[in-house]
Amino acid sequence: EVQLVESGGGLVQPGGSLRLSCAASGSTLIGYEMNWVRQAPGKGLEWISYIRGGDTTMFYADSVKGRFTISRDNAKNSLHLQMDSLRAEDTALYYCARVGTGYYHFDYWGQGTLVTVSS
Amino acid sequence: QSALTQPASVSGSPGQSITISCTGTSTDLGTYNLVSWYQQHPGKAPKVMIYEVSKRPSGVSNRFSGSKSGNTASLTISGLQAEDEADYYCCSYAGSSSWVFGGGTKLTVL
Repeated sequence: EVQLVESGGGLVQPGGSLRLSCAASGSTLIGYEMNWVRQAPGKGLEWISYIRGGDTTMFYADSVKGRFTISRDNAKNSLHLQMDSLRAEDTALYYCARVGTGYYHFDYWGQGTLVTVSS
Repeated sequence: QSALTQPASVSGSPGQSITISCTGTSTDLGTYNLVSWYQQHPGKAPKVMIYEVSKRPSGVSNRFSGSKSGNTASLTISGLQAEDEADYYCCSYAGSSSWVFGGGTKLTVL
């Protein structure tokens, strides 16, 4: 059974930076497409970033493009999200989520890490 | 990408059936048969209930079913049970390795 555990969330001032991590156990992340999905307090889900399994091809939602960078460390079986120039509207619970090989849905999710952007 | 459109809330009594609609556009839901539905209980991570419009992952009750027509997808839950009370989100692949979610529907079991 795949387990994903996010970490790195916290309180940060507007304009600041934060780096989130997602550690996997029970299975390798190598070869799998990985994503970050966020959920603002009391709001719905928002897909924000994707990284391909076989290479480092990345895609971003317009809301975070140019400010967030997704990366993966295959040696450590982990996923990361570098968040720069943070804004109040980035306040959310951030989930990492896996897309199964050959599929287009999120089959495994972590429990999320909370990011609060406030002065 | 704009969010898919879902009703904010639906309700039903135990044993009844309910349907949640999800409306997109011709560039996302209308183009791809890659609609998935997620159940989220309070304080929990989302769980996939339906993928590729109508397929159920192993372990998901056959009381859950999905369909699609044009730019609108639907999730039907039959034989409502108390444990079905949760938020439900539709999601569509939108091309170029991007996805779009619906705003979510709160299901209340009366």
